[in-house]
Amino acid sequence: ETVMTQSPATLSVSPGERAALSCRASQSVWSNLAWYQQKPGQAPRLLIYGASTRATGIPARFSGSGSGTEFTLTISSLQSEDFAVYYCQQYNNWPQGFGQGTKLEI
Amino acid sequence: EVQLLESGGGLVQPGGSLRLSCAASGFTFNKFALSWVRQAPGKGLEWVSAISASGSGTYYADSVKGRFTISRDNSQNTLFLQMYSLRGEDTAVYYCAPSPGGVFRSYYDYWGRGTLVTVSS
Repeated sequence: ETVMTQSPATLSVSPGERAALSCRASQSVWSNLAWYQQKPGQAPRLLIYGASTRATGIPARFSGSGSGTEFTLTISSLQSEDFAVYYCQQYNNWPQGFGQGTKLEI
Repeated sequence: EVQLLESGGGLVQPGGSLRLSCAASGFTFNKFALSWVRQAPGKGLEWVSAISASGSGTYYADSVKGRFTISRDNSQNTLFLQMYSLRGEDTAVYYCAPSPGGVFRSYYDYWGRGTLVTVSS
């Protein structure tokens, strides 16, 4: 089973600053990596798939990079609505799996 | 607009059973594999089960294999999850989601609001 590890567990950033969230896979997942945003009481929202392709309607300040085992989600200039929990998901190896999440806080 | 409406959650005793439903609209239901993903309170996301577009292929996480059964009714655009022998660790919000990449390699671009299952005596 491919284990997904996100770091840090919590990231404290000020509005307007840049945030970089990390996701590491225990074995290669090629570019089959997605990122989700989840706010309290809401379902997850797809941000990025294919490691770097923004989903429909996702602002350009969200970008994804990486391949193989190391991935990064970057938010270029944090807005108040971006403070949430972020999950990565690999869907290359069976069974698919999610990271434990990074909480982005003010 | 894609809509997914989960239902059937509730409080059940350990060892009990529950059947979840997910009514879908806004996409060609019988062309997509579907999955259930759950989230325990305050925890992360866990893939539970997936079913092929035709319903002929079903797949389960080890944690639920032999206890849960996924099925679908393509005539009614509805996905089901029959849960037996429920345990405390099955307590979670259960989400249904279309799987655009198929059963084996998919991210999830649409999610329902989820239905809460609580297993407790």
